[in-house]
Amino acid sequence: QQPVQSPQAVILREGEDAVINCSSSKALYSVHWYRQKHGEAPVFLMILLKGGEQKGHEKISASFNEKKQQSSLYLTASQLSYSGTYFCGTAPDMDSNYQLIWGAGTKLIIKP
Amino acid sequence: EAQVTQNPRYLITVTGKKLTVTCSQNMNHEYMSWYRQDPGLGLRQIYYSMNVEVTDKGDVPEGYKVSRKEKRNFPLILESPSPNQTSLYFCASSLFGPSTDTQYFGPGTRLTVL
Repeated sequence: QQPVQSPQAVILREGEDAVINCSSSKALYSVHWYRQKHGEAPVFLMILLKGGEQKGHEKISASFNEKKQQSSLYLTASQLSYSGTYFCGTAPDMDSNYQLIWGAGTKLIIKP
Repeated sequence: EAQVTQNPRYLITVTGKKLTVTCSQNMNHEYMSWYRQDPGLGLRQIYYSMNVEVTDKGDVPEGYKVSRKEKRNFPLILESPSPNQTSLYFCASSLFGPSTDTQYFGPGTRLTVL
């Protein structure tokens, strides 16, 4: 079942902070975050694994609450380059190693 | 440069005319995948491959075929395209499975079926 992302869209001024959420109805093994700029391919930001391990971008932080089956992506002091659509992908367990289930995306617009 | 390439980038075709979209990666990745992206629906997986000669269906496989004869290549075949296959298609690869590894995406192929 597709994870739910919120908000669907957000408009910020440069320098403001943003939080994007990803919630699943299933237990999660890992959560993945990608950013896609208009007309381009998705680009990897971060992986959060059950147990607390994280791999990813130095300037972006995220949390993974295993009990609540949700993850949040924190974008602080946003820059114009942060604009784009953010997708979370979820893996319910290690055995489903070959598929991620993707959210519908959160569109982030940063204005100068 | 490590990359995933797709060709063509843009394609306009007519209903029923067989087509192939190529995908190639130069990172020696075992896992490759095809997605389609439609507005408001996010990424939906069509097929994936865990290694050479090993493929499996994703969430929306109807109307598509794939093959993995070489590790680097993973072509997507539409035997008889229909207008509902008009979409943006992405190929992706990762070293092993996607649940723990970074996926690298190709630049995308925008397909229009008239």
